[in-house]
Amino acid sequence: SQQGEEDPQALSIQEGENATMNCSYKTSINNLQWYRQNSGRGLVHLILIRSNEREKHSGRLRVTLDTSKKSSSLLITASRAADTASYFCATDVNNDMRFGAGTRLTVKP
Amino acid sequence: DTAVSQTPKYLVTQMGNDKSIKCEQNLGHDTMYWYKQDSKKFLKIMFSYNNKELIINETVPNRFSPKSPDKAHLNLHINSLELGDSAVYFCASSPASGVFEQFFGPGTRLTVL
Repeated sequence: SQQGEEDPQALSIQEGENATMNCSYKTSINNLQWYRQNSGRGLVHLILIRSNEREKHSGRLRVTLDTSKKSSSLLITASRAADTASYFCATDVNNDMRFGAGTRLTVKP
Repeated sequence: DTAVSQTPKYLVTQMGNDKSIKCEQNLGHDTMYWYKQDSKKFLKIMFSYNNKELIINETVPNRFSPKSPDKAHLNLHINSLELGDSAVYFCASSPASGVFEQFFGPGTRLTVL
């Protein structure tokens, strides 16, 4: 069964704008990860945030985690056309990784 | 050098056939996985192997059988293929199970006619 649910399902923005994607989950987690998938490719790991962390940064990426609300957000700042991809959150529950259906991000040049 | 590789990239076959998808990782990881991604992009874990031992086996039909000759390889064999098996299958690996990022292969698009 799916664990994480990304919101929105699709997002279209102009280059230079910020993109925010959200992930909600149902059960307690050990950690949450975000992955990116370019069309026709495998998933690429972006960032991992542990359940005792609230915020993490990696370059233009900022991830927050609110365990009380069982939600996480991924912010991409100053987006580029190359950021066009699907973004998935994955939650680790007792060593069992569950993925959501993803948010399809389109960045228009 | 490709970290996680899969062959073939595309596989088109008839219903009822038996087929295999191969996966190899050169990262020295202990755990490997197989995922199925359907047309709606849902990614569902099918199996994982840790040091040649099956540690997760989701509710996958027994027509699907993972085979791991060594810790660098995890092949997926599918018997009596059905239309509903059409999907993209991804292999992945991680240093160990649990709190580690996973490295994904490029995927194998299986089409059953």
